[in-house]
Amino acid sequence: DVKVTQSSRYLVKRTGEKVFLECVQDMDHENMFWYRQDPGLGLRLIYFSYDVKMKEKGDIPEGYSVSREKKERFSLILESASTNQTSMYLCASSSLGGWTGANVLTFGAGSRLTVL
Amino acid sequence: DQQVKQNSPSLSVQEGRISILNCDYTNSMFDYFLWYKKYPAEGPTFLISISSIKDKNEDGRFTVFLNKSAKHLSLHIVPSQPGDSAVYFCAGLYNQGGKLIFGQGTELSVKP
Repeated sequence: DVKVTQSSRYLVKRTGEKVFLECVQDMDHENMFWYRQDPGLGLRLIYFSYDVKMKEKGDIPEGYSVSREKKERFSLILESASTNQTSMYLCASSSLGGWTGANVLTFGAGSRLTVL
Repeated sequence: DQQVKQNSPSLSVQEGRISILNCDYTNSMFDYFLWYKKYPAEGPTFLISISSIKDKNEDGRFTVFLNKSAKHLSLHIVPSQPGDSAVYFCAGLYNQGGKLIFGQGTELSVKP
């Protein structure tokens, strides 16, 4: 069974702390994504990556950075956490290329971050 | 700029009846539209898709309709079951790069 694993399901951090959210996929997917989910706003794309060491800004990259040193791992970094970054963070991956019906986004279970 | 909009945050339906979830979009460049379903404490899972050149796609109890002139799509669930209770997200896909743009979600509650 294919999997996207997010290392932390629940985190509580303090304002100003540096936060790392880790995501690992075992499907040999080229593409990886970080979204955040907020009530009334849906899923918003933070950053994505098409290949190792490559990254692209999504719709709301401010306050975040990412790292992709290995194909299977995509990390989201909050350099200095703020209360407005309290959210559910969802990692996803997909295979490269055009839509085939099979290369849908596969999501992890999410990481619920609370910044106090 | 919200390119994909789901204007109904919630919907309540009786078991066995039809559920209709609606979605509007502003960007004509989407190649596909997808519906995802999300249970609490789980990641979204893919449900059904439709190409921008089609007007209907059916998979079991789920049917998606696309009206390009109105930039509107809808997901029909017939018959609705309590296990369908979840948040449903509509998304538009740019084929190049596989970037998905999601709507705000609609929480469906199917009552026994």
